[in-house]
Amino acid sequence: GENVEQHPSTLSVQEGDSAVIKCTYSDSASNYFPWYKQELGKRPQLIIDIRSNVGEKKDQRIAVTLNKTAKHFSLHITETQPEDSAVYFCAASPDGANNLFFGTGTRLTVIP
Amino acid sequence: NAGVTQTPKFQVLKTGQSMTLQCAQDMNHNSMYWYRQDPGMGLRLIYYSASEGTTDKGEVPNGYNVSRLNKREFSLRLESAAPSQTSVYFCASNRQGWSYNEQFFGPGTRLTVL
Repeated sequence: GENVEQHPSTLSVQEGDSAVIKCTYSDSASNYFPWYKQELGKRPQLIIDIRSNVGEKKDQRIAVTLNKTAKHFSLHITETQPEDSAVYFCAASPDGANNLFFGTGTRLTVIP
Repeated sequence: NAGVTQTPKFQVLKTGQSMTLQCAQDMNHNSMYWYRQDPGMGLRLIYYSASEGTTDKGEVPNGYNVSRLNKREFSLRLESAAPSQTSVYFCASNRQGWSYNEQFFGPGTRLTVL
């Protein structure tokens, strides 16, 4: 089955700096890669996703890049703000599956 | 439109007790899921149901059973709770199309087994 690894497990940045979280996946059949944000005590919520026929996708201050050859994808947050502090999860979904395989999460702390 | 709802929000059990976690969604989604979330382990799939009447094991099914009662409801049962099942449990349903596979999560149930 699919195996998703996520790094780093914790990340601290100064407000206004950029943050990058990286994930790798094992199954070359995976073709959908979402990112979820989970604030303290809350449920995970989708913030951005990318499909394998696209190399990059942006939504305001967040962007996701995908390298199919290397089987890795990354989340980029620019101009970080304190409200970006949360745990971020990457996930991968093989073609034809309706399951998501999650990474172990990255706790991002934005220091004011 | 309540989305995905779960009950209870908190529960404390003694080892060996049983309980059922309830989940319901009002978005007419076909697929529903049960995850557990432990520190440093991310979200691990326990069971899922791709459609009414079907259920399948996920990554960590041992010690759990599920029932897909109808399209809206998907329950998780612990027959004989163990301390290793102390966790936060999330139910989710799935909106899936060609270019997306978005899971909507419930608010979670925090379970402690003493």
